[in-house]
Amino acid sequence: RKEVEQDPGPFNVPEGATVAFNCTYSNSASQSFFWYRQDCRKEPKLLMSVYSSGNEDGRFTAQLNRASQYISLLIRDSKLSDSATYLCVVSEAAGNKLTFGGGTRVLVKP
Amino acid sequence: DGGITQSPKYLFRKEGQNVTLSCEQNLNHDAMYWYRQDPGQGLRLIYYSQIVNDFQKGDIAEGYSVSREKKESFPLTVTSAQKNPTAFYLCASSIWGSLNTEAFFGQGTRLTVV
Repeated sequence: RKEVEQDPGPFNVPEGATVAFNCTYSNSASQSFFWYRQDCRKEPKLLMSVYSSGNEDGRFTAQLNRASQYISLLIRDSKLSDSATYLCVVSEAAGNKLTFGGGTRVLVKP
Repeated sequence: DGGITQSPKYLFRKEGQNVTLSCEQNLNHDAMYWYRQDPGQGLRLIYYSQIVNDFQKGDIAEGYSVSREKKESFPLTVTSAQKNPTAFYLCASSIWGSLNTEAFFGQGTRLTVV
């Protein structure tokens, strides 16, 4: 079983719609969680950290469910520019070794 | 400007040759990482380093080597033992030992075996 798993997609989303997807992690002691965005042939960039209480940044909402060991990302009012691959990242309890999921591809269409 | 720089952006290698990818950061970060990304795939960890003169194998270290002689630099050598080296290589750095710390990435090196 992979340490961090994501549905690869693609999620085809009409412009203006809401899309949500999850990421599961296997290490129950994981401490830090992030969503990164990666555009085609570019480096990943931090989208948002994920806090225990859940957090929101504009149209993006991230949630953490420790009991079921998954994090989620919800995008409201999708824009064409939201088309990208979204990478789930988990940090081990023992340090900051960052483990990436395989990414979820989102395609927003007019 | 602070940041992390990888070079070269594109690299072509003949089979059987070793090549070294450069990664330099001026963010004063302790931790540095090398990841490999294949088309349509996520990032897989090759090596990481928490401190100068120390580094740890990641999930796919075979056929690669690294050094960490300076805090700012973490070069990756792709050796001839790496059977399928064509990929996109990403270097990252972060603060070590701090929760919720962001990892910063270089722009990557695309390595092609010809």
